[in-house]
Amino acid sequence: SQQGEEDPQALSIQEGENATMNCSYKTSINNLQWYRQNSGRGLVHLILIRSNEREKHSGRLRVTLDTSKKSSSLLITASRAADTASYFCATDVAGTALIFGKGTTLSVSS
Amino acid sequence: DTAVSQTPKYLVTQMGNDKSIKCEQNLGHDTMYWYKQDSKKFLKIMFSYNNKELIINETVPNRFSPKSPDKAHLNLHINSLELGDSAVYFCASSQGGLSYEQYFGPGTRLTVT
Repeated sequence: SQQGEEDPQALSIQEGENATMNCSYKTSINNLQWYRQNSGRGLVHLILIRSNEREKHSGRLRVTLDTSKKSSSLLITASRAADTASYFCATDVAGTALIFGKGTTLSVSS
Repeated sequence: DTAVSQTPKYLVTQMGNDKSIKCEQNLGHDTMYWYKQDSKKFLKIMFSYNNKELIINETVPNRFSPKSPDKAHLNLHINSLELGDSAVYFCASSQGGLSYEQYFGPGTRLTVT
């Protein structure tokens, strides 16, 4: 069964705006990762946040993790057209496999 | 240099045929994976190999058989292809398993007619 679920499914914003996407999951995790997928390409790792961490930053990306609510959010600040892609969260459940959500499709228009 | 490469990029074949997809990584990673992404972009783990040994084998028809000749290669062979096998197949690798980032290949789009 599916572990992670991103929200919203689709998001359209203008360049310069911030984009926030959320991920909810069902069972306890060891870590949570965010990936980006450009159209027709493979996934690219963005950030890994461990279950004992609450927030991580990488450039314009900010990820938060709330294990009590079983949720994570990815914030992209000052979005650019090049940020247009699908974003997936993936959870490491009991060290068995990385379970991906269905993704949020982000469109950034100039 | 490409970190994780897959061949072919596109594969169009008829039902009942047997086909293989090859994957190679030059990152020195010890764990490799196969994922299937359906038309709705849902990505699901199929297999995971660590140092040439199978460690994850999700519920996948036994028509799918992974083969790892060495740590840098993980090939996927599919027998008796069915329409439902049409999808994009991704190979990935990581160093140390699930607590580390995974590096994905560009994908192989398989179309079964």
